[in-house]
Amino acid sequence: SALTQPASVSGSPGQSITISCTGTTSDVGAYNFVSWYQQHPGKAPKVIVYDVNNRPSGVSNRFSGSKSGITASLTISGLQAEDEADYYCASYTRSSNYVFGTGTKVTVL
Amino acid sequence: EVQLVESGGDLVQPGGSLRLSCTASGFTFVEYSMYWVRQLPGKGLEWVSGISWHSDYAGYADSVKGRFIISRDTAKNSLYLQMSSLRAEDTAFYYCVKDIRPYYYAPDGVFEVWGLGTMVTVSS
Repeated sequence: SALTQPASVSGSPGQSITISCTGTTSDVGAYNFVSWYQQHPGKAPKVIVYDVNNRPSGVSNRFSGSKSGITASLTISGLQAEDEADYYCASYTRSSNYVFGTGTKVTVL
Repeated sequence: EVQLVESGGDLVQPGGSLRLSCTASGFTFVEYSMYWVRQLPGKGLEWVSGISWHSDYAGYADSVKGRFIISRDTAKNSLYLQMSSLRAEDTAFYYCVKDIRPYYYAPDGVFEVWGLGTMVTVSS
């Protein structure tokens, strides 16, 4: 089943926020291959972090990832208005498929 | 520029079939694993299926296993998803997605480039 994320997280411009992604020992806890995706309304998702804490070329270093046990986290530092979007985590599973998180709506106050 | 263009989405009755296509350009298609990911309007993402760069490995979500078949045609730079025994719960926007790294499939697949998607509606 889907990885568990908070439905919403909010913060003021310049602040840091963290989004959690909780799975099980069969997915997040089994592999260091968690990725994170940002999706603005009406747009396709965009990968912002992969392999737990790597950023693709061109992605701001304000985005960072980490993992401890069965929980992965995405931190957005120096929050900006353009960061307002939906965020999804994803992981491979021992069932030989991939699973996404439930999604988190980030609001910039 | 890397581009993925999906097609084939339509309105289909429950129990019907549909074939989605994705035409790729701007990269060496034969080197990359490819995926289908779907999203219900206003809802979350669901991984549907994936196929390795050499077509030797294919995986499916439990929700579509036995009903959907993924395939690719290197000569046509195309990815396909044959969908049968369609259900109302298959209604979604279907995205074609390219992996970030060549010659990788699992467990470290990363969904790097996404198409614009094609809408599948299953309804009587």
